[in-house]
Amino acid sequence: GENVEQHPSTLSVQEGDSAVIKCTYSDSASNYFPWYKQELGKGPQLIIDIRSNVGEKKDQRIAVTLNKTAKHFSLHITETQPEDSAVYFCAAIWSGGSNYKLTFGKGTLLTVNP
Amino acid sequence: EAGVAQSPRYKIIEKRQSVAFWCNPISGHATLYWYQQILGQGPKLLIQFQNNGVVDDSQLPKDRFSAERLKGVDSTLKIQPAKLEDSAVYLCASSLTDRGPYEQYFGPGTRLTVT
Repeated sequence: GENVEQHPSTLSVQEGDSAVIKCTYSDSASNYFPWYKQELGKGPQLIIDIRSNVGEKKDQRIAVTLNKTAKHFSLHITETQPEDSAVYFCAAIWSGGSNYKLTFGKGTLLTVNP
Repeated sequence: EAGVAQSPRYKIIEKRQSVAFWCNPISGHATLYWYQQILGQGPKLLIQFQNNGVVDDSQLPKDRFSAERLKGVDSTLKIQPAKLEDSAVYLCASSLTDRGPYEQYFGPGTRLTVT
């Protein structure tokens, strides 16, 4: 099955700086890569996603890039704010036969210091 | 639009007891998922329903876990008997498309502690 590695496990930045989280995946057939933000005591919230036919996608202060050849994708947050502090998960779709399975990385705890 | 609802939010039980969790997906979402999230890890899929049929339960420990989705809407996940290692957050998610697990929306989860 699919295996998703996520780095770093923790990231601390100053307010206004940029934050970058990187993920690699193992199954070259994976074609959908979402990012989730999980705040304490809440469920994961989809913040951005990218499909394999696109190299980059942007939504205000967040962007995701995908390198299919290298099988890695990254989340970029610019002008970070304290409310960006949360755990971020990357994920990849793995197709096992006729079914599709979303496999998550282990998460990155992002802390934005005011 | 109302999100995915789950109850209870917290549950503490002793090992070997049974427990049940309830999920109400977003209205109109055909696909429903149950995930287990152990502390410090990403969610792991336990079971996926398409309407009221099971699509994938390959990672569900069937000797102790069971799930059903009556009438293709609400779903319950049951653990009987519980073990210490079942302590985790159980997340329910739903998605609109019936062609794969794209754009999944998660509920707040049920935090289970087994003592």
